[in-house]
Amino acid sequence: QKEVEQDPGPLSVPEGAIVSLNCTYSNSAFQYFMWYRQYSRKGPELLMYTYSSGNKEDGRFTAQVDKSSKYISLFIRDSQPSDSATYLCAVYSGAGSYQLTFGKGTKLSVIP
Amino acid sequence: SQTIHQWPATLVQPVGSPLSLECTVEGTSNPNLYWYRQAAGRGLQLLFYSVGIGQISSEVPQNLSASRPQDRQFILSSKKLLLSDSGFYLCAWAHGYEQYFGPGTRLTVT
Repeated sequence: QKEVEQDPGPLSVPEGAIVSLNCTYSNSAFQYFMWYRQYSRKGPELLMYTYSSGNKEDGRFTAQVDKSSKYISLFIRDSQPSDSATYLCAVYSGAGSYQLTFGKGTKLSVIP
Repeated sequence: SQTIHQWPATLVQPVGSPLSLECTVEGTSNPNLYWYRQAAGRGLQLLFYSVGIGQISSEVPQNLSASRPQDRQFILSSKKLLLSDSGFYLCAWAHGYEQYFGPGTRLTVT
């Protein structure tokens, strides 16, 4: 079983839709959870991060972690064509090595 | 603010040729540094990471090597490239668990 599973998509939605992106992970030791956005042919950029369970909101983006089910989500409200990108989830155990484990990414297209 | 640079941006090299990719970070000191490779459909593969000058940890045994000659400089090298070395190479820096990526180098081995 892979440590982080992420549906690769592609996911195509109309402009203005609510988007839900998800990952599952297998190791209960993971404590930090991150979402990266990667535009085509660019490096990933850190969008949001959360520690332990709960929600975190930043503008149109909400990150949610459910440690009991080992499930992490990123919600995008009022999606825009500029949100079209690949979204990668990443997890970190906090064990001190500072190595992140990444999902393979979900490719999102927001259609005008 | 911190900035990370990578060069070259794109590179086309024949099989068997050497490789040198460079990454530099500005605006911070003593960062953890990382080299990743991203191939289509395979996600981000951690190749090397470094917690200080001269300290390199390898995650994947292969024909690549890394060096950190200065605090904010990280170099990825190969003596002889293979076709399978093609991909998008990303450098990242971190303090703690938040990693910040550079713009990447797209390498095509022909």
